[in-house]
Amino acid sequence: AQTVTQSQPEMSVQEAETVTLSCTYDTSESNYYLFWYKQPPSRQMILVIRQEAYKQQNATENRFSVNFQKAAKSFSLKISDSQLGDTAMYFCAFIDNSGGSNYKLTFGKGTLLTVNP
Amino acid sequence: DTAVSQTPKYLVTQMGNDKSIKCEQNLGHDTMYWYKQDSKKFLKIMFSYNNKELIINETVPNRFSPKSPDKAHLNLHINSLELGDSAVYFCASRRGGKQYFGPGTRLTVT
Repeated sequence: AQTVTQSQPEMSVQEAETVTLSCTYDTSESNYYLFWYKQPPSRQMILVIRQEAYKQQNATENRFSVNFQKAAKSFSLKISDSQLGDTAMYFCAFIDNSGGSNYKLTFGKGTLLTVNP
Repeated sequence: DTAVSQTPKYLVTQMGNDKSIKCEQNLGHDTMYWYKQDSKKFLKIMFSYNNKELIINETVPNRFSPKSPDKAHLNLHINSLELGDSAVYFCASRRGGKQYFGPGTRLTVT
């Protein structure tokens, strides 16, 4: 079974600064996806970024980038130039892409990020 | 148009009642899911259907019964509601490695 661990229940950052959220995972699979989802107070689940395990290049989406360390099973999210609208709960998540678990998402417990003005 | 919609968005009901939450997706995806988010914000898979066939049932009490009349709809019916059922329930649909979430339904059992 896969597990996803987010060791930082809460973090805060000043507006315009950079923050990194940590995530580690455990799996015996070689074909999988990793995700970061954002859940603002509106509770909508918003996909921030996705990383395919077979890709060595780290994914980036505008101000959001990941540091994917496959051997260490680490998948951190870096948010640059933090904005007040980035205040949200952030979830790291995993999908076994081999189909063995029917592509269900396994989530970490989340990190509550607060961006301060 | 909303890709994945859920109704209702809020549901307040008393213990012992039976209620349903509806989910519809207009993305043409074959696979749909129900996730539960508890009071500590932890998200966990409940069910998944692929083209109207149940493919995941994660040891959910049998008071919960998903129903998929067609591949665009996956409804969740809950019998004999208990206080512990209070949570946010999310529907999602999948194509490839991406899942698209509905807005969630906040269920409060009093």
